[in-house]
Amino acid sequence: EAQVTQNPRYLITVTGKKLTVTCSQNMNHEYMSWYRQDPGLGLRQIYYSMNVEVTDKGDVPEGYKVSRKEKRNFPLILESPSPNQTSLYFCASGTVPDSNQPQHFGDGTRLSIL
Amino acid sequence: AQKVTQAQTEISVVEKEDVTLDCVYETRDTTYYLFWYKQPPSGELVFLIRRNSFDEQNEISGRYSWNFQKSTSSFNFTITASQVVDSAVYFCALSEAKSGSARQLTFGSGTQLTVLP
Repeated sequence: EAQVTQNPRYLITVTGKKLTVTCSQNMNHEYMSWYRQDPGLGLRQIYYSMNVEVTDKGDVPEGYKVSRKEKRNFPLILESPSPNQTSLYFCASGTVPDSNQPQHFGDGTRLSIL
Repeated sequence: AQKVTQAQTEISVVEKEDVTLDCVYETRDTTYYLFWYKQPPSGELVFLIRRNSFDEQNEISGRYSWNFQKSTSSFNFTITASQVVDSAVYFCALSEAKSGSARQLTFGSGTQLTVLP
């Protein structure tokens, strides 16, 4: 089954404690991306990657890091989480160049930073 | 810069009523894609439709229909004979087709639809 898998699905942690949210896709997609969803703001892009070892900032990259060492994985790293990073996070993947197929989204990771 | 506006924050209807969710977009590109996603209470994002800027044909899929009008930069979504299971947050999104950002989606803020029994 084609899917994007995020882990963990839920996490409560404290300010300053480094955390990583993993994202893995099994569709051999070149493109992967991270979004955060906040009330009243919709989803905003944090980082994206067009292929292995190629990453770029989205609209709200501050406080986040990513890496793309393998095609299937695109982890989101919060080196020193702060309460304003409490949010619902989505990973997505898709083909490049663009095709008629939509992006596939993971089921989301709800982070609470105390 | 691209922008998507969903002016309706919340809508409540009674089951079997028709409801239209509005979406207005801004882009300088002539080639772009428009999307609608549904987010049920369980939280996942469900893809509903994608439209490219060259295809202004309206589309109908069961109780769902979409009206794309380039002249007004709108891509509205209508649910006919709404059901309780339609209760969700609905997002409109836009992606421009220029190289390197073909996959970057700009989302609207979402419309919370509540269908009452």
